[in-house]
Amino acid sequence: KAGVTQTPRYLIKTRGQQVTLSCSPISGHRSVSWYQQTPGQGLQFLFEYFSETQRNKGNFPGRFSGRQFSNSRSEMNVSTLELGDSALYLCASSSQGAPPQETQYFGPGTRLLVL
Amino acid sequence: SQKIEQNSEALNIQEGKTATLTCNYTNYSPAYLQWYRQDPGRGPVFLLLIRENEKEKRKERLKVTFDTTLKQSLFHITASQPADSATYLCALLTGGGNKLTFGTGTQLKVEL
Repeated sequence: KAGVTQTPRYLIKTRGQQVTLSCSPISGHRSVSWYQQTPGQGLQFLFEYFSETQRNKGNFPGRFSGRQFSNSRSEMNVSTLELGDSALYLCASSSQGAPPQETQYFGPGTRLLVL
Repeated sequence: SQKIEQNSEALNIQEGKTATLTCNYTNYSPAYLQWYRQDPGRGPVFLLLIRENEKEKRKERLKVTFDTTLKQSLFHITASQPADSATYLCALLTGGGNKLTFGTGTQLKVEL
């Protein structure tokens, strides 16, 4: 099976712009979670989608949003970018909605740089 | 407040020795704890999951212990190799669904 894929892998934006990142989960996986990783804050949970519904949300401002499509692919959007949004954005998928038997499989991430 | 803490300093050990990494948490009552490995520029890779009613779990050269009284998990790599050099993260399931809260990670370097 192909792993989790994320596009693009690298992105440079300027302050005030918006960005959309994409994640394709492992085939058959219905849960997709997004995380932000920075040197200062580490890995932080953004949100989780399961069957096109947001099931969990982390403590991020409303500028961060996401959605999931019927084929389980997910996108996250960040509007009005700030310098502090520079980070590695990771997507993770798992096969079932119910934890915790299922592990999460992470993609390679999208490296976002905001100038 | 809720915290998950790991050794903040990098751990350097000699090849062949046992590496022991610590994960301490406060104000959580996790039913499960997971350990991941992360290499630079890559996403974390799942290693082991241990449940609250399990004291110890092993997988090849890896061993995890989970003490819910001490609120601590120890992660051991025996007969360590340079290829084990990476950052190791512990994570707790802290919400419904698949919400994972990660520790800060410990960077392990295994030297020849």
